[in-house]
Amino acid sequence: QQKVQQSPESLIVPEGGMASLNCTSSDRNVDYFWWYRQHSGKSPKMLMSIFSNGEKEEGRFTVHLNKASLHTSLHIRDSQPSDSALYLCAASSSSGQKLVFGQGTILKVYL
Amino acid sequence: EAAVTQSPRNKVAVTGGKVTLSCNQTNNHNNMYWYRQDTGHGLRLIHYSYGAGSTEKGDIPDGYKASRPSQENFSLILELATPSQTSVYFCASGDVGGARAEQFFGPGTRLTVL
Repeated sequence: QQKVQQSPESLIVPEGGMASLNCTSSDRNVDYFWWYRQHSGKSPKMLMSIFSNGEKEEGRFTVHLNKASLHTSLHIRDSQPSDSALYLCAASSSSGQKLVFGQGTILKVYL
Repeated sequence: EAAVTQSPRNKVAVTGGKVTLSCNQTNNHNNMYWYRQDTGHGLRLIHYSYGAGSTEKGDIPDGYKASRPSQENFSLILELATPSQTSVYFCASGDVGGARAEQFFGPGTRLTVL
């Protein structure tokens, strides 16, 4: 069964700092990676997706993908207290219609 | 914006009772999904559907049934609820797979089985 592993389990960074989250899939058929953000008591919402090798930047958020190692990372610069949330990584294949989620990384940004 | 609603939002049930969780989407998506979320486990897929009349088992289907009577509606049924099914349940809808596999989630249902 495909697994998606995320690290670290939790992360604490100061306001204005950089947060780096990691995610790796064990399924060689995976083609697409998704990052979801879930604030406490809310539902997950898609933050960014990445399908090609390299990096993609949207504002303070940057995702990297290495398809050879099936590893993706999410970097948040100038972290804000509002970034405090559970970050979920998900993976899918080109033929599949399901997302497989990792267990998540809890990010806390303190003042 | 994509709209997925769930009812009820909170439910307290007794062990051995029947529980039905309902989900409605107005996105005209073919695919719908039921997940449960427990601390330390992320989102685990229970059942999913590719369209009206179809249901498929996910990764943890034991103790759950699903029903998709229409494009818009997808229900999760616990025939004999147990305390181990206490969790937060999320419904999601999605278009197709591959690069369009993004899923849109409902607000969740918090279920407590006593």
